[in-house]
Amino acid sequence: NAGVTQTPKFRVLKTGQSMTLLCAQDMNHEYMYWYRQDPGMGLRLIHYSVGEGTTAKGEVPDGYNVSRLKKQNFLLGLESAAPSQTSVYFCASSYMGDYNEQFFGPGTRLTVL
Amino acid sequence: KNEVEQSPQNLTAQEGEFITINCSYSVGISALHWLQQHPGGGIVSLFMLSSGKKKHGRLIATINIQEKHSSLHITASHPRDSAVYICAVGPGGATNKLIFGTGTLLAVQP
Repeated sequence: NAGVTQTPKFRVLKTGQSMTLLCAQDMNHEYMYWYRQDPGMGLRLIHYSVGEGTTAKGEVPDGYNVSRLKKQNFLLGLESAAPSQTSVYFCASSYMGDYNEQFFGPGTRLTVL
Repeated sequence: KNEVEQSPQNLTAQEGEFITINCSYSVGISALHWLQQHPGGGIVSLFMLSSGKKKHGRLIATINIQEKHSSLHITASHPRDSAVYICAVGPGGATNKLIFGTGTLLAVQP
């Protein structure tokens, strides 16, 4: 099993460009999450999904959109990238319900110039 | 004030030393997680606990629910233990969301 995978691993964008980050999991998890990690700050939740076709806002959702059309995939979109979105993005997934371990992808390092 | 505070922020140890990393939180929780992140690497779960103590190899995690405090201990530390250790708490609820500390950067020197 591949676990949680993320595409791409690295990306450089210019301000105003758009892109989509793909997260895929093969563990049949119901829940999926997108986080950003910035120096000196803990991981912050951008958006999450508790099942196929559902999404919800997290702590820092502005400037991002998400979609969960298939259970195994969770897409994070930046419609008009800004330098403040320079960060490392992590996807995670877990089984349904409380008290479950989250499994993380390897991360995507995004730089917006 | 952050809901999850870790100390120390940075820690340097000599190989073989006993290491303790602390985590305090201010919210009610259903579970506390310890995670490890190697430089430039992904994040892996080490422990998930809601009471008492858990041990995996040289790693030990304890939690005191009344004190809202957890510790991660590493016995006989090794340079390969060098990483960022992250404490996260799950406040409970059907979404399984977590609140993360800022991490402790550990460097173990040979």
